[in-house]
Amino acid sequence: DTGVSQDPRHKITKRGQNVTFRCDPISEHNRLYWYRQTLGQGPEFLTYFQNEAQLEKSRLLSDRFSAERPKGSFSTLEIQRTEQGDSAMYLCASSRSAGAAKNIQYFGAGTRLSVL
Amino acid sequence: DAKTTQPTSMDCAEGRAANLPCNHSTISGNEYVYWYRQIHSQGPQYIIHGLKNNETNEMASLIITEDRKSSTLILPHATLRDTAVYYCIVRVATGSARQLTFGSGTQLTVLP
Repeated sequence: DTGVSQDPRHKITKRGQNVTFRCDPISEHNRLYWYRQTLGQGPEFLTYFQNEAQLEKSRLLSDRFSAERPKGSFSTLEIQRTEQGDSAMYLCASSRSAGAAKNIQYFGAGTRLSVL
Repeated sequence: DAKTTQPTSMDCAEGRAANLPCNHSTISGNEYVYWYRQIHSQGPQYIIHGLKNNETNEMASLIITEDRKSSTLILPHATLRDTAVYYCIVRVATGSARQLTFGSGTQLTVLP
């Protein structure tokens, strides 16, 4: 299976610690998205990359959050000084920018973060 | 992106067709209807999308009304594994790489 891969699947951390999540998109996809999902809600957009360029950021992405995609392949999402309100599922998705499946986003299984 | 309205929950008997409605009365001419579903503790899964013609793939059929103000996702023979939250999303498909805006979706429960 060459779908979107996210690591780790689960992360438990103490308030104030930094955490980093990784996303490996589908190999031929040049667009990569991060979403956050809290219990009972649909996913909410955080940020988006086309190749290595971060082109859009949601107002949900506070200055404690930073995302990178240094070589246009995998991406990392870092949360500094975690707070209990950061507890959520963090989802990564990828898509093509051309071709028949253009703009169809394929999601990974997510990283579930629990901040104690 | 146009706002969508979906029922909060629906039940369906296993083996029967599941018909999930979605209202999108403010849809624009260049906006597509997308359906995703999310099985518990998994990421959303793309199902199907369409502009104005009915669409069918191996997972489901999408019926869009002639005025495009509503649509129905049809799972022809629902199984227990189809129990999930189903999201109807309206967005521009071409050009812009717009993010998906998820609502609350419909919780479909397939009953044995």
